[in-house]
Amino acid sequence: GIQVEQSPPDLILQEGANSTLRCNFSDSVNNLQWFHQNPWGQLINLFYIPSGTKQNGRLSATTVATERYSLLYISSSQTTDSGVYFCAVVKGGYGGSQGNLIFGKGTKLSVKP
Amino acid sequence: DTEVTQTPKHLVMGMTNKKSLKCEQHMGHRAMYWYKQKAKKPPELMFVYSYEKLSINESVPSRFSPECPNSSLLNLHLHALQPEDSALYLCASSQVRLGQGTYEQYFGPGTRLTVT
Repeated sequence: GIQVEQSPPDLILQEGANSTLRCNFSDSVNNLQWFHQNPWGQLINLFYIPSGTKQNGRLSATTVATERYSLLYISSSQTTDSGVYFCAVVKGGYGGSQGNLIFGKGTKLSVKP
Repeated sequence: DTEVTQTPKHLVMGMTNKKSLKCEQHMGHRAMYWYKQKAKKPPELMFVYSYEKLSINESVPSRFSPECPNSSLLNLHLHALQPEDSALYLCASSQVRLGQGTYEQYFGPGTRLTVT
């Protein structure tokens, strides 16, 4: 099956710093989503980005589908950004499993005041 | 509105109990999903319903029984669970795309299940 690798596994930042999280995937994808899981377990949608670049406030994401990677940028980090960031993909191709999101292992981000 | 609701938030059950988890969405989505997440692990897909029909069962033990009574509701019936089934159970929904591509999935807050 498709492999999803995220790096780094853990990241500690000082408040105000910038960071880049990476997601590599081993096959073509129909869907790529970035999530933030807060300490209570809620998965918050950040981006739906199977290709291209999107921005939302201090966050932006880029997916280069032909090279099979996606990047999540966090600028001017805040303590509320702490949590686990997941990249998840659905394998591509006609007839690919409907909605079968495969998650990476996540990046645990801790932002210190 | 992109809200998926789940009840209960927490559930403690014995190995001989029968309980149900409930998920609801009012976004008009016709695909609904159950995921299981163990501590410090990523979510893993259990079931997918498309147009109220079960389309994917990821070899889940029969002690987990899903049900989709209508397009807005998804249940997960639990019976004779084991302590290793303790986990966060997440429900999600999305539109259905025929052919290539899938739509964005939206997740509920989860039910934290403890089996004693």
